[in-house]
Amino acid sequence: GAGVSQSPSNKVTEKGKDVELRCDPISGHTALYWYRQSLGQGLEFLIYFQGNSAPDKSGLPSDRFSAERTGGSVSTLTIQRTQQEDSAVYLCASSDTLILEQFFGPGTRLTVL
Amino acid sequence: AQSVTQLGSHVSVSEGALVLLRCNYSSSVPPYLFWYVQYPNQGLQLLLKYTSAATLVKGINGFEAEFKKSETSFHLTKPSAHMSDAAEYFCAVSHGGTSYGKLTFGQGTILTVHP
Repeated sequence: GAGVSQSPSNKVTEKGKDVELRCDPISGHTALYWYRQSLGQGLEFLIYFQGNSAPDKSGLPSDRFSAERTGGSVSTLTIQRTQQEDSAVYLCASSDTLILEQFFGPGTRLTVL
Repeated sequence: AQSVTQLGSHVSVSEGALVLLRCNYSSSVPPYLFWYVQYPNQGLQLLLKYTSAATLVKGINGFEAEFKKSETSFHLTKPSAHMSDAAEYFCAVSHGGTSYGKLTFGQGTILTVHP
């Protein structure tokens, strides 16, 4: 079946602009995660959705970052007023709660000029 | 709080040699542990996982890892390296409680395999 997909694969934006990154999880997976991968910080957890529960936002680096998950499926990560330090690869993953294994998408490479 | 330390940001081996990638963890609860591999310009792929069953875990592509509670380690090994094993490897620990799926990753180890 189809894996986790993310769009766009690459995004170049100017400092101060808002960006939206999209994640389509594997059908039926109840959990969805966002991570950020950057040279200086490695792989960092950002936010986690599990079913209808309130998301775990403990990894969001600032209030410029937000995410939503509509209908328990597709998720959008929004970064407002982008800064150069936001440049990174943003990875999305989904999992079937019972299995724990997270399946990762290919990522969106964000470059803030 | 959980954390993961991968010893050695770069490991280089000859084709056919033993691969050993080191991972130590700290966790306030019994951990779930994972090894992921990332090939260039690709997402992460699960190699294997430990979820409190057998302490020796076998994964894909001939990799295995042994959970040693006394050493708080979960080192990844493969008896004979292949050129296709060249990639970056990440060890990760899962949080407990209501966020058991949230992963904390190590800094990664880049494996180079030379002929």
